[in-house]
Amino acid sequence: AQTVTQSQPEMSVQEAETVTLSCTYDTSESDYYLFWYKQPPSRQMILVIRQEAYKQQNATENRFSVNFQKAAKSFSLKISDSQLGDAAMYFCAYRSAMKTSGSRLTFGEGTQLTVNP
Amino acid sequence: DSGVTQTPKHLITATGQRVTLRCSPRSGDLSVYWYQQSLDQGLQFLIHYYNGEERAKGNILERFSAQQFPDLHSELNLSSLELGDSALYFCASSPATGTGYRRGYTFGSGTRLTVV
Repeated sequence: AQTVTQSQPEMSVQEAETVTLSCTYDTSESDYYLFWYKQPPSRQMILVIRQEAYKQQNATENRFSVNFQKAAKSFSLKISDSQLGDAAMYFCAYRSAMKTSGSRLTFGEGTQLTVNP
Repeated sequence: DSGVTQTPKHLITATGQRVTLRCSPRSGDLSVYWYQQSLDQGLQFLIHYYNGEERAKGNILERFSAQQFPDLHSELNLSSLELGDSALYFCASSPATGTGYRRGYTFGSGTRLTVV
């Protein structure tokens, strides 16, 4: 079974600074997808960014980018120019590409990000 | 509006009672997933249905059950409720294959269950 580990329960960053959230995963599969979700105080789950394992290029979405290291099974999220609205719980997630009827997302434990003004 | 509808948004009930949570997936999505999130905890996978059939079970208690109906909406039934069942219950939907599958889930806004 796949596992996802986020080793930083809490992180903080100053407004306008850059922060990196860590995520590692364990899998024997070669084809899969990785995601970062954000959960603000409203508790709504919001997709931040996704990465397809067969793509070597790191995904980027505006101020959010990832560092995907497939051999190391590492998938970190970098938030540039942090804003107060970035404060939230961030979850890393893994999804297999192998199942014909779809497969579940496996989530890490989450990292609570605080943005200080 | 994400396209996934969960009802009710809030539910308060007493220990020992039974409740039903409802989820309507995004149009065209055949897969429905249920997760439980206790206070300040991560998301625990409960169960996955695909086109009416159960596909995978996670940490779902025997007191809990689910089903997916022909119109693809799903219900999560929680019975003999205990204080520890108080949590946010998420439903999410997804296509099974293709571009939509690679985008991950579409989440509902959750049902907050409080057992008193």
